[in-house]
Amino acid sequence: IAGITQAPTSQILAAGRRMTLRCTQDMRHNAMYWYRQDLGLGLRLIHYSNTAGTTGKGEVPDGYSVSRANTDDFPLTLASAVPSQTSVYFCASSDTGDSTDTQYFGPGTRLTVL
Amino acid sequence: GQNIDQPTEMTATEGAIVQINCTYQTSGFNGLFWYQQHAGEAPTFLSYNVLDGLEEKGRFSSFLSRSKGYSYLLLKELQMKDSASYLCAARDSNYQLIWGAGTKLIIKP
Repeated sequence: IAGITQAPTSQILAAGRRMTLRCTQDMRHNAMYWYRQDLGLGLRLIHYSNTAGTTGKGEVPDGYSVSRANTDDFPLTLASAVPSQTSVYFCASSDTGDSTDTQYFGPGTRLTVL
Repeated sequence: GQNIDQPTEMTATEGAIVQINCTYQTSGFNGLFWYQQHAGEAPTFLSYNVLDGLEEKGRFSSFLSRSKGYSYLLLKELQMKDSASYLCAARDSNYQLIWGAGTKLIIKP
């Protein structure tokens, strides 16, 4: 593994189903993020984690939950999917010890909720 | 509220120069980022400015004026592979990134 991986690449999901999007990084970055990207809108932060064991809410957290049991993994769960959660989901990570704290992105998961 | 404005779409010619502008309004300021995103792919980091002035990196340069809440990305010697969306993001006082919707750059031969 090099960088950030996400799984699945794409998924079609029935409304009401539970879904977990996986994100793993091998850069030992302490901070991780989940964004959604919708046409015509900027990336919107769903949840973040500044370090293993801690999480925080972003701009659009409703309907989503996260956990950060260790440094490498940051799964995003949709407890009961709704069509408005159809989007492309990007996971990112950053080294908050670096002066720029630049975020690096995974390849994304394209999710369709019907 | 917090806001990032950048043009929706721009067109330029291969070999030419293009400037993509970005204005921002954030609660506090801790840096300005530019990312490139090809269709169907992840955003990739291009540049970071935290002090006023021009940062040059090969064919790409980025400028920041904190007093005006303004940045631009300058792309020189345009190549077809530069066709992509360019995302501007400002980091606020909580160290969260506020993202613009992106500027789709179309390069014509």
